[in-house]
Amino acid sequence: ETGVTQSPTHLIKTRGQQVTLRCSSQSGHNTVSWYQQALGQGPQFIFQYYREEENGRGNFPPRFSGLQFPNYSSELNVNALELDDSALYLCASSPAPENYGYTFGSGTRLTVV
Amino acid sequence: QQQVKQSPQSLIVQKGGISIINCAYENTAFDYFPWYQQFPGKGPALLIAIRPDVSEKKEGRFTISFNKSAKQFSLHIMDSQPGDSATYFCAASSKSGSARQLTFGSGTQLTVLP
Repeated sequence: ETGVTQSPTHLIKTRGQQVTLRCSSQSGHNTVSWYQQALGQGPQFIFQYYREEENGRGNFPPRFSGLQFPNYSSELNVNALELDDSALYLCASSPAPENYGYTFGSGTRLTVV
Repeated sequence: QQQVKQSPQSLIVQKGGISIINCAYENTAFDYFPWYQQFPGKGPALLIAIRPDVSEKKEGRFTISFNKSAKQFSLHIMDSQPGDSATYFCAASSKSGSARQLTFGSGTQLTVLP
């Protein structure tokens, strides 16, 4: 059974650019959530995807968007990058949207310069 | 607005000692309280969790104590080991639309000295 895999592991982008981060969910998991973890802070909920649609969103602006594909993998897109977007982006999968248990990936470290 | 407050920010314990991390919450809609352990370069991993109708849950060396009336819960690590050195996050789960989301505390960096 494979866990949650994320790519790339590290990324450096320039302010104003756009970035796409990718996530493959754990086998048997159909729900994917994305979290942003700033340095020295706890993760913050960005949004959740289920059946290829966003079904819950945290306090993040619309320039944060996502996709989920039929194989349950997911992408996080961030447009017009700002310096404060520098963070570890974590993907988590679960067997169902209402499930309490998450499996987190190791994250993508994004640095905006 | 920080809805889950965690303390202390850092903690140093001798091997074999007891590590205690505390969290407090405000939102009464929270209905599940997990603790996560995170090592450098890794994502958070679920350690232990409790529901608010239970006052204590123990799994091996890890115990959660939960006080619903005070809106507080804590993690106790008995017989702390150097391998327990990591960052620990408390969290609280709630529904957001049809989704379930976690609100995390700010983390406690635990160092267990050999």
